[in-house]
Amino acid sequence: GNSVTQMEGPVTLSEEAFLTINCTYTATGYPSLFWYVQYPGEGLQLLLKATKADDKGSNKGFEATYRKETTSFHLEKGSVQVSDSAVYFCALSLSSGGSYIPTFGRGTSLIVHP
Amino acid sequence: DGGITQSPKYLFRKEGQNVTLSCEQNLNHDAMYWYRQDPGQGLRLIYYSQIVNDFQKGDIAEGYSVSREKKESFPLTVTSAQKNPTAFYLCASSTRTSSVDTQYFGPGTRLTVL
Repeated sequence: GNSVTQMEGPVTLSEEAFLTINCTYTATGYPSLFWYVQYPGEGLQLLLKATKADDKGSNKGFEATYRKETTSFHLEKGSVQVSDSAVYFCALSLSSGGSYIPTFGRGTSLIVHP
Repeated sequence: DGGITQSPKYLFRKEGQNVTLSCEQNLNHDAMYWYRQDPGQGLRLIYYSQIVNDFQKGDIAEGYSVSREKKESFPLTVTSAQKNPTAFYLCASSTRTSSVDTQYFGPGTRLTVL
């Protein structure tokens, strides 16, 4: 079946540090890949996505590149802020009998200190 | 503004009682989903519906029931058969047209069994 593996958290950084959150996937097909972010007490919201190999998704200073050869979609940001503290979920989506049910990773908590 | 609303935000239930969580969307999306979120376990799919009057079980459907009588509404009932219902419940919707579809999430309902 399909699966998404994320690095375990929490990831704790100082403000302006470089961020990487690793995400690898297993899929029986050619999925679309997503990063969602969840702020405390809220639902998830889309951060960025990529639909084919070598595509780079970007938003709010975050980037991730779809690497088919390594089945990875690592999230990066050059300089994190305290307001980036949240839980980040990597996800994939594939067609299955006409349905597109996403598979989520377990989430990685990011804590940014001033 | 278009979006998904869930109510109530916090819900308390006594053991042995059924309780219904509301989910409404005005995005004109065909597909709707219910997820359960527990600490450290990411999101687990309870039920999903691709079209009105049709729905399918997800990975953890036991002890839950749903209905989809209207496109805008997808209520979830947590029955007394659910052994450990205390969790954060998230509703989502999408257009169901392709694997690149983004899921739009509501703010969630936190259910506590007393």
